[in-house]
Amino acid sequence: KAGVTQTPRYLIKTRGQQVTLSCSPISGHRSVSWYQQTPGQGLQFLFEYFSETQRNKGNFPGRFSGRQFSNSRSEMNVSTLELGDSALYLCASSPGPRTDTQYFGPGTRLTVL
Amino acid sequence: GESVGLHLPTLSVQEGDNSIINCAYSNSASDYFIWYKQESGKGPQFIIDIRSNMDKRQGQRVTVLLNKTVKHLSLQIAATQPGDSAVYFCAVDTGANSKLTFGKGITLSVRP
Repeated sequence: KAGVTQTPRYLIKTRGQQVTLSCSPISGHRSVSWYQQTPGQGLQFLFEYFSETQRNKGNFPGRFSGRQFSNSRSEMNVSTLELGDSALYLCASSPGPRTDTQYFGPGTRLTVL
Repeated sequence: GESVGLHLPTLSVQEGDNSIINCAYSNSASDYFIWYKQESGKGPQFIIDIRSNMDKRQGQRVTVLLNKTVKHLSLQIAATQPGDSAVYFCAVDTGANSKLTFGKGITLSVRP
């Protein structure tokens, strides 16, 4: 089975721009979660989607949003980028809405200049 | 809320020795615990998990121990190999939602 895929792998943006990241879960997995990873804060939960519905959201500003499509693929969007948004954005999928075992993709490295 | 902490930020072991990585959590309602390994340039990789109705679980060369009384879990790696060098995270789920809370991570270095 193919693993979780994320595109793009690397992205460079400037302050004020917006960005969209994409995640394709493992086939058959219907739950997708997003995390932000930085050296200072570690791995922080952004949000989780299941059946196209956001089930839970972490403590991030409204500039961070996401969605899930009927094929379980998910996108996250960050608007009005700030320097502090530079991070590795990780997507994880699991079979159902409970955490169970989450399998992570390789991440998208976002650099904001 | 939940806080998860690893006892040491780095651990250096000799190849062939056993490694023990410790993690403490704060929420007694936590019911699911996972260890992840992250190599440079990659996403976290699932190693082993344990639920709160167990106190020990073994995998291939790895064992996770859970002590709910003191809210502590550990990952033991037997016969540590150079390929085990990575950052290790413990993650905890309270069950109230789908959110995993991660510890900061510990860097394991294996000396040849």
